[in-house]
Amino acid sequence: GNSVTQMEGPVTLSEEAFLTINCTYTATGYPSLFWYVQYPGEGLQLLLKATKADDKGSNKGFEATYRKETTSFHLEKGSVQVSDSAVYFCALSAPQGLIKAAGNKLTFGGGTRVLVKP
Amino acid sequence: DTGVSQDPRHKITKRGQNVTFRCDPISEHNRLYWYRQTLGQGPEFLTYFQNEAQLEKSRLLSDRFSAERPKGSFSTLEIQRTEQGDSAMYLCASSLSRTRETEAFFGQGTRLTVV
Repeated sequence: GNSVTQMEGPVTLSEEAFLTINCTYTATGYPSLFWYVQYPGEGLQLLLKATKADDKGSNKGFEATYRKETTSFHLEKGSVQVSDSAVYFCALSAPQGLIKAAGNKLTFGGGTRVLVKP
Repeated sequence: DTGVSQDPRHKITKRGQNVTFRCDPISEHNRLYWYRQTLGQGPEFLTYFQNEAQLEKSRLLSDRFSAERPKGSFSTLEIQRTEQGDSAMYLCASSLSRTRETEAFFGQGTRLTVV
C-alpha cells in the first residue's frame, strides 16, 4: 500500500535559519505529492504540490522537488520566520490503478512540528 | 467565508453514547472526504463521497461508524456506542473532480473526547 515517512520533530530553529524536512514515500502508480501546513488553532492548508517527476513546488519561500529516483519530496526554506512555526505534513495522492473510487484520497506522513525562535 | 465548515468544533461524550458530526463543503465541490487524526499523528483516510455516492471506505471505519451525504451537499459522520479509542480530531475535506491533482480544502475539524 501507499505510505509516507517524514522526519520526526520537533525541529527547533532560530529565525533566518535554513529548514529542511525530509519526506520519502512508497506508492503504486504515479503519485502526486503535497506539503500541508497546520498553524496553531487552524485547519490544514495546502502549502505546495508537485504532480510529476522533477517538478518543483514552491510557495511562501518554501520549495520541494519531486525526486522519483529517490522517492523523496523534501521541504526546504532558506530563511525561516517565527510565523513559520507550525506542523508540516507530507502527503501523496495515488489512484489505485484505474479504480475510479480512489478520487483524491490523501495518504499523510506523521507530521513534523517546527518551532522558530526569535 | 465559503470554506469547509464543521460542526461542532468540540464534543465531549460519555462512553457508549452516539455522536454525530456535520460537514459543509465548499459549495461547488462534488468530492467530500472524512479523515481522523489522533494526537501527534497525520490524518488517516476514513471515507469518500463523490456527490451523494459513498465510493470508498477505509478498514478503519468499523460498523459503529456511518457516513452519509444525502443530497450531495453536506455530510454527517455518526459514531454509535462511542469508545475511548474514538477520541480524535475528525477532519472533513472537499475538492472538485476535475483532475486528481485538484487541491483538497480542509475544515478545522471536530475534536471528540470520549470519557
